[in-house]
Amino acid sequence: DAGVIQSPRHEVTEMGQEVTLRCKPISGHDYLFWYRQTMMRGLELLIYFNNNVPIDDSGMPEDRFSAKMPNASFSTLKIQPSEPRDSAVYFCASSLFRETDTQYFGPGTRLTVL
Amino acid sequence: GQQLNQSPQSMFIQEGEDVSMNCTSSSIFNTWLWYKQDPGEGPVLLIALYKAGELTSNGRLTAQFGTTRKDSFLNISASIPSDVGIYFCAGQPSTSGTYKYIFGTGTRLKVLA
Repeated sequence: DAGVIQSPRHEVTEMGQEVTLRCKPISGHDYLFWYRQTMMRGLELLIYFNNNVPIDDSGMPEDRFSAKMPNASFSTLKIQPSEPRDSAVYFCASSLFRETDTQYFGPGTRLTVL
Repeated sequence: GQQLNQSPQSMFIQEGEDVSMNCTSSSIFNTWLWYKQDPGEGPVLLIALYKAGELTSNGRLTAQFGTTRKDSFLNISASIPSDVGIYFCAGQPSTSGTYKYIFGTGTRLKVLA
C-alpha cells in the first residue's frame, strides 16, 4: 500500500489567499484525522472523520478553517483567508475502526503564509 | 487546555548508551502512545499502552504506563545512530471523546557515533 498521501508537500502563499491541502487515506481505513504541528503548540488535532462524516471539529481554530471528505479516498483542509500564524506543518492520518490507536500519518504539508 | 509535559526537551548521547524520557499529565489518561518522527516525515507509532502499570517492549524500546495513569516512560537501550529523531508521547484523556489524543512537545534525540 502507498500509505497516506498528502499534497502539496510544500505550499508558500501570501496572506489573504485561499489554501487547500489534500489527503488520500490508506484504502479501507474508515477514520481520517487532520493535525497541525508547530514549534510552539506541538501536534494538535484539528478535526476527524468517520466514514466520511465529521465527528469532532472542536480543534479547528476558527471559521477560516474548513475540512471536507466527499468520499472515502479524499479529504481537503481549506484555509480562507490565510494568515501568517497559520504557517505550520499539516498532517493527515488514517486508521481502521478497530485500530484507531494505530494512526498512519502522511508526510505532511509544510505551509508558509507570508 | 490539557497539556502533556515531556522531558527532556532534547538530549545528546553517545552511541550504545541507554536513553530515558518521560511524559506527565495533570489528568488521568486511558491510553498512552509513543511515536517517533524523522525529519520531513509524519510520526510513526512505536508502542501503545492500555493499562496502568503495563510494560511493553518493541525491540530495543520499552515503554511503561505509569501506575497513577498520569505518566508514561520510554526507554531505548543501546542507542544507534538511526534512533535520531523526535519522540512524542500522546495520551487519550479519560474525559475526552474516543480517538482524541493529546501530544507532548517531543524529545529531540541526537546520537553521537
